[in-house]
Amino acid sequence: DAGVIQSPRHEVTEMGQEVTLRCKPISGHDYLFWYRQTMMRGLELLIYFNNNVPIDDSGMPEDRFSAKMPNASFSTLKIQPSEPRDSAVYFCASSEQQGPGYNEQFFGPGTRLTVL
Amino acid sequence: QKEVEQNSGPLSVPEGAIASLNCTYSDRGSQSFFWYRQYSGKSPELIMSIYSNGDKEDGRFTAQLNKASQYVSLLIRDSQPSDSATYLCAVMGYSSASKIIFGSGTRLSIRP
Repeated sequence: DAGVIQSPRHEVTEMGQEVTLRCKPISGHDYLFWYRQTMMRGLELLIYFNNNVPIDDSGMPEDRFSAKMPNASFSTLKIQPSEPRDSAVYFCASSEQQGPGYNEQFFGPGTRLTVL
Repeated sequence: QKEVEQNSGPLSVPEGAIASLNCTYSDRGSQSFFWYRQYSGKSPELIMSIYSNGDKEDGRFTAQLNKASQYVSLLIRDSQPSDSATYLCAVMGYSSASKIIFGSGTRLSIRP
């Protein structure tokens, strides 16, 4: 399996522009997670899906952030409009199941976002 | 109080020695515990998971869990320069709807 795939790997944009990050989870994994990592705040969970349904979006910082999972093999995280404080590395992760013994998450390579 | 706490380091250990990484958590209902390794500029990689009290060994790595003390640790024996990385402790509650909470990580440096 190719693992979790994310695109783009790097994104540089100007404040106010729309940014869309993409993720393909590992085939057969029912859970998909979006994280953001910064030096100041560490690794933060933004939202996660189970069987394409958003379960917990309490980590989404503001209404400028939205995430969708139209099918089992694709998810997007959109920021509109983007701001310099959104600059971070955004990771997508997937896991087969959740619950004791089944929560091992596999991370994609990340998208490094820079908002000027 | 943070939900998952780790000393940020850096922790400097001579090559060949034992590196000891520690983590405490606040939710007594937590059931699943993980150690992830993250090299600079790379994504987190799962290296150990532990679900019951005691020790779990995998090669040079040993995870230790003490739920009564709300404490989990990672020991790395025969430390190698390639072990230099940031180690993230992660904790999850019991239900399938629980989220994994990550600590801020401990930076480990193995000096030759």
